[in-house]
Amino acid sequence: EPEVTQTPSHQVTQMGQEVILRCVPISNHLYFYWYRQILGQKVEFLVSFYNNEISEKSEIFDDQFSVERPDGSNFTLKIRSTKLEDSAMYFCASRGIPSPLHFGNGTRLTVT
Amino acid sequence: DQQVKQNSPSLSVQEGRISILNCDYTNSMFDYFLWYKKYPAEGPTFLISISSIKDKNEDGRFTVFLNKSAKHLSLHIVPSQPGDSAVYFCAASVDSSGTYKYIFGTGTRLKVLA
Repeated sequence: EPEVTQTPSHQVTQMGQEVILRCVPISNHLYFYWYRQILGQKVEFLVSFYNNEISEKSEIFDDQFSVERPDGSNFTLKIRSTKLEDSAMYFCASRGIPSPLHFGNGTRLTVT
Repeated sequence: DQQVKQNSPSLSVQEGRISILNCDYTNSMFDYFLWYKKYPAEGPTFLISISSIKDKNEDGRFTVFLNKSAKHLSLHIVPSQPGDSAVYFCAASVDSSGTYKYIFGTGTRLKVLA
């Protein structure tokens, strides 16, 4: 069964550094998402992406965040200048029409 | 603003018995509801869904019930198995801009005792 893959599985970075989290969505899916889960808390929506542009974003997704689909297969989340509170599990997800969201296994981001 | 709530953070059930996980929502515009299961170090895995035009959907041991008037949905697992032990999230979607953004609850940790 096709799956969403995310790399790296764990990223450690220093505060103020830029990070790029990478995702390869399921190939025939059209909608792409980033969610995050701070330890012990709920899974929070960050951003949705369709037709090469952001469809919707949450208040968490401020100017420090950006997303890109640089080619036909990758979908990336960039955090320009990381803060301690950015430490979380970041999940990429994709969906086709109609289908539920399919999630990757996440990237654990640790900001020190 | 917590639009999707799971008020029970944890639940323990004996193997073979029924597990009932509950979820409440506040936004009457939600039209699609889902349950996801999550194991540690993995992403959420889709389990079952229900459209707002239905009140019940069944898939094997899993049944989801939707009570629109009460803005409540529940997931029944019967019989429960030790492998069902995981965190269960309910989610609801709003068709805003056609992107079906999912709003997740806080999760319920289910432990099925052998």
